[in-house]
Amino acid sequence: ETGVTQTPRHLVMGMTNKKSLKCEQHLGHNAMYWYKQSAKKPLELMFVYNFKEQTENNSVPSRFSPECPNSSHLFLHLHTLQPEDSALYLCASSQGGSGNEQFFGPGTRLTVL
Amino acid sequence: DAKTTQPTSMDCAEGRAANLPCNHSTISGNEYVYWYRQIHSQGPQYIIHGLKNNETNEMASLIITEDRKSSTLILPHATLRDTAVYYCIVRPSGGSNYKLTFGKGTLLTVNP
Repeated sequence: ETGVTQTPRHLVMGMTNKKSLKCEQHLGHNAMYWYKQSAKKPLELMFVYNFKEQTENNSVPSRFSPECPNSSHLFLHLHTLQPEDSALYLCASSQGGSGNEQFFGPGTRLTVL
Repeated sequence: DAKTTQPTSMDCAEGRAANLPCNHSTISGNEYVYWYRQIHSQGPQYIIHGLKNNETNEMASLIITEDRKSSTLILPHATLRDTAVYYCIVRPSGGSNYKLTFGKGTLLTVNP
């Protein structure tokens, strides 16, 4: 266990659905990240939050909407997704935004029908 | 961002040392070398990092060449559970130094 939990672990949704992914870290970190890992592609950084403030949006489409209500929780709200958005979505946290060791959650396997 | 080059795949016999190379010939003087691994269908796991000195922890050793243009991750006694994709990452400096840019990594297969 890394101290970073993600729910749900698996999600199947239609293109018209709205769903949310949740990430929680129990490490006292103040930076949190969303990554996307598509089949046979490297991990792609999506968003970075540092002290609840978004510091990076890596040209992510607006159908992905992150929310960071506090330093321990991070959400990714999904709406009107496309089948090509099917991927493993990983959350990570670190102490500060300095790129120190990032602790990853187990990921949410998302399938968009 | 400095880029890294790793072999696509490697095999290692269980109990033997696994030596995973990484080239980072364009690394800057204040950039660190990080290693992560990802076991199938799990999140990546931090292994070790270094600047210019060799480093060792309970998981692995990191050997960085004197010119810092390449490094080797050593798993001294590989087990079947070490089968994973290993990523060598050079962390950029400056304001966006939190970014970890993952490449394709090396798939290490430990065989019985």
